[in-house]
Amino acid sequence: SQTIHQWPATLVQPVGSPLSLECTVEGTSNPNLYWYRQAAGRGLQLLFYSVGIGQISSEVPQNLSASRPQDRQFILSSKKLLLSDSGFYLCAWSDQGKQPQHFGDGTRLSIL
Amino acid sequence: GQQLNQSPQSMFIQEGEDVSMNCTSSSIFNTWLWYKQEPGEGPVLLIALYKAGELTSNGRLTAQFGITRKDSFLNISASIPSDVGIYFCAVPLAGGTSYGKLTFGQGTILTVHP
Repeated sequence: SQTIHQWPATLVQPVGSPLSLECTVEGTSNPNLYWYRQAAGRGLQLLFYSVGIGQISSEVPQNLSASRPQDRQFILSSKKLLLSDSGFYLCAWSDQGKQPQHFGDGTRLSIL
Repeated sequence: GQQLNQSPQSMFIQEGEDVSMNCTSSSIFNTWLWYKQEPGEGPVLLIALYKAGELTSNGRLTAQFGITRKDSFLNISASIPSDVGIYFCAVPLAGGTSYGKLTFGQGTILTVHP
């Protein structure tokens, strides 16, 4: 069966520091991968999606970037975090051309 | 773009009561998904609907794909404290370049009092 892992589960970072959140999927190949941000426990905002290695599409302009160095690995990064980057970050995967999406357990990011 | 109107925004109920929530849109969809998110965790798929008029159950949960294809309903019978969480509806974005992206409703926050 397929599984999705995100880490770390929680992270506290100072303003201006870099960020790297990782997501990996097991038990499938060539999945679509997605990064979401959720503020205040409501509403999922799609940040990035990827349909293959090295292929990243951004949904909203922001201080973050994403990369997909391997088929089942999706990384969310920032060079310098802002206070507004605080939130709950969720990774998700789906089979190519199919629904539904399946989510990881998320990373709670707090910026001080 | 596609917008989903999910209601109610929140519900406070007593254990044992039934719950109903719905999502509506002005657009037609071929798939409706219902997720539940518990505090501090990612959303978990509850029910997926792929056919207009379809009625699908998952334990005490029942969801229906509206016959007009513009709405969907989720019912929970005999609620228990562990039903607490945020319930989201979601639909795939339309178009050949949607790449599996979803549009989510704003969620229904469910609180169950013992």
